[in-house]
Amino acid sequence: EPEVTQTPSHQVTQMGQEVILRCVPISNHLYFYWYRQILGQKVEFLVSFYNNEISEKSEIFDDQFSVERPDGSNFTLKIRSTKLEDSAMYFCASSVLQGGTGELFFGEGSRLTVL
Amino acid sequence: LAKTTQPISMDSYEGQEVNITCSHNNIATNDYITWYQQFPSQGPRFIIQGYKTKVTNEVASLFIPADRKSSTLSLPRVSLSDTAVYYCLVWTGGGNKLTFGTGTQLKVEL
Repeated sequence: EPEVTQTPSHQVTQMGQEVILRCVPISNHLYFYWYRQILGQKVEFLVSFYNNEISEKSEIFDDQFSVERPDGSNFTLKIRSTKLEDSAMYFCASSVLQGGTGELFFGEGSRLTVL
Repeated sequence: LAKTTQPISMDSYEGQEVNITCSHNNIATNDYITWYQQFPSQGPRFIIQGYKTKVTNEVASLFIPADRKSSTLSLPRVSLSDTAVYYCLVWTGGGNKLTFGTGTQLKVEL
């Protein structure tokens, strides 16, 4: 069964460093998403991406964050100048259909720890 | 944006049927109702989606009354492995943003 894969599974970084989280969505999917989940809290929407541009973003997704689909298969989330409060699990997801009309397939997540 | 309200937690025993109800009073005409399951340290997993009446798949059933202001996820004969957080989501058509609420922590015991 096709799946969304994310790397790294766990990254530890120093505050102020830049981090890139990588995702390989399912190959025929057109819509891509990043979510995050701080330990013990709910899953929070960050951004959705379609046709090589951002289609929706939350108030969390400020100038510190950026997304890119550099080569037609990878979908990356860059976090510039990480802060302690960026420590969380970051989930990538993809879907064939827009938003909630179909199933979002989530990856296993990348745990980011900022020290 | 349609807001959802669901119980914070529920307890059940193996073999029982579990019904989790979600309230979405301001659901819009084009909105779909979707339920996801999440185990600790894993990404959410799609369970079921519906628009009206009843939808059933191999995992669960989703009951949606005519006014669509609530929905009930029904899990038949739960087992220990069904212990997870269950999220009810309503997607507002026209956007590409699926928002998770706080979810219901289901705990299944022997």
